[in-house]
Parts: sequence; C-alpha cells; structure tokens
Amino acid sequence: AQTVTQSQPEMSVQEAETVTLSCTYDTSENNYYLFWYKQPPSRQMILVIRQEAYKQQNATENRFSVNFQKAAKSFSLKISDSQLGDTAMYFCAYNNAGNMLTFGGGTRLMVKP
Amino acid sequence: DVKVTQSSRYLVKRTGEKVFLECVQDMDHENMFWYRQDPGLGLRLIYFSYDVKMKEKGDIPEGYSVSREKKERFSLILESASTNQTSMYLCASSLQAGGPDEQFFGPGTRLTVL
Repeated sequence: AQTVTQSQPEMSVQEAETVTLSCTYDTSENNYYLFWYKQPPSRQMILVIRQEAYKQQNATENRFSVNFQKAAKSFSLKISDSQLGDTAMYFCAYNNAGNMLTFGGGTRLMVKP
Repeated sequence: DVKVTQSSRYLVKRTGEKVFLECVQDMDHENMFWYRQDPGLGLRLIYFSYDVKMKEKGDIPEGYSVSREKKERFSLILESASTNQTSMYLCASSLQAGGPDEQFFGPGTRLTVL
C-alpha cells in the first residue's frame, strides 16, 4: 500500500518570506499523480497544485511551486512571498490512477505578520 | 464553480444512535467520496461511489455504510455511533475517480459522539 509522509506537523513563516513544506511517499508504481491541497481555517479544502510523475518539469502555479524528485520519492511545496491568506493546513496526496487518493498527515502553516 | 454541500457543520449524537450525514454536489460528477479527518492522520477514505447505487470500501469502512440513490447525493450512515467515531467528516466529488482529476470538497461535518 502506498504511504505519504509529511514530517513537519507545524511550520511558521514571516509574511513575504519563502517556506518549503516537505512530503515523501512510498510506491512501486511508475506512473502516478501527486497533489497539494490547502485547508484554510473553517473553510473548504482546495487544490493548490498537481504533478504528473511522467513529467520531469516541476509544476508551478503563481507563488506555489513544487520540487519533484522521483528517484527520492519526494514532493515538496514551495510558497514564495507568503501571504496571511496562506495560513492553512496543507496536505500532500498521492494517486496511482486508481480510485483512491492517499493523504499525508498534514502540515499546519502559520504566516506571521 | 463546483459546489459540494454537507447537511450539517456540527452534530452531537449519543452512543448507539443511528447517524446520517448527507452530501450533495451540483456538477454532475460521477464520483463521490467520504473521508474522515483526524489530527496527525490526515484524511482517510471511508467509502467512495463511482455511480448511482455503486460503492466501494476505502481504508476504514468498519462501522460505516453508504447510500447513493441519486447521482448528486451521497450519504454516510453510522449504524450505531460510538465515541471513537467522533471526528471531522469530509465529502468530496470528482469527474473521474483517479488520475489527475481534482477532488472538490465540502465544508465538513464535525461529529461528536457522547
């Protein structure tokens, strides 16, 4: 079974600075998909960014980018120019094109003014 | 915009009660999911449905059942609630179950079983 590990339960960053959230996963598959979801306080979870394993280029969405290291099974999220609205729980997730999404335990990020 | 709604934000029930959690999506998605969210454990899949009247077990189906009589509605049922089912329950939907498709989440129901 696939597992997803987020080793940082909590992190904080000053507004306008850059922060990196870590995620590692375990799989024997060659083709799969990785996601970062964001859950703001008392609000619905939303997709931040996704990466397809067969694509070597790292995905980027505005201030959010990933560092995908397939051999190391690592998928970190970098948030540049952090904003107060980035305060949230962040979940890394894995899907092997099957039916089930496997989530990590989450990282609580606090952006400080 | 996809909208996923859940019937209650907060629910308090007593041990042994039958509990119904309702989820409705308005984007004609084929797939719907029920997750349980606990601190440090992330989200764990309870059940999902890929079509009306179809369901498959997720990682933690014990103590739960589901019903999908209409495409837009997916219900989670706790036949006899227990204190270890106190948790946040999240519903989600997607166009396709796997692959790169985004899952759209509801606001969650925080269930407390006394």
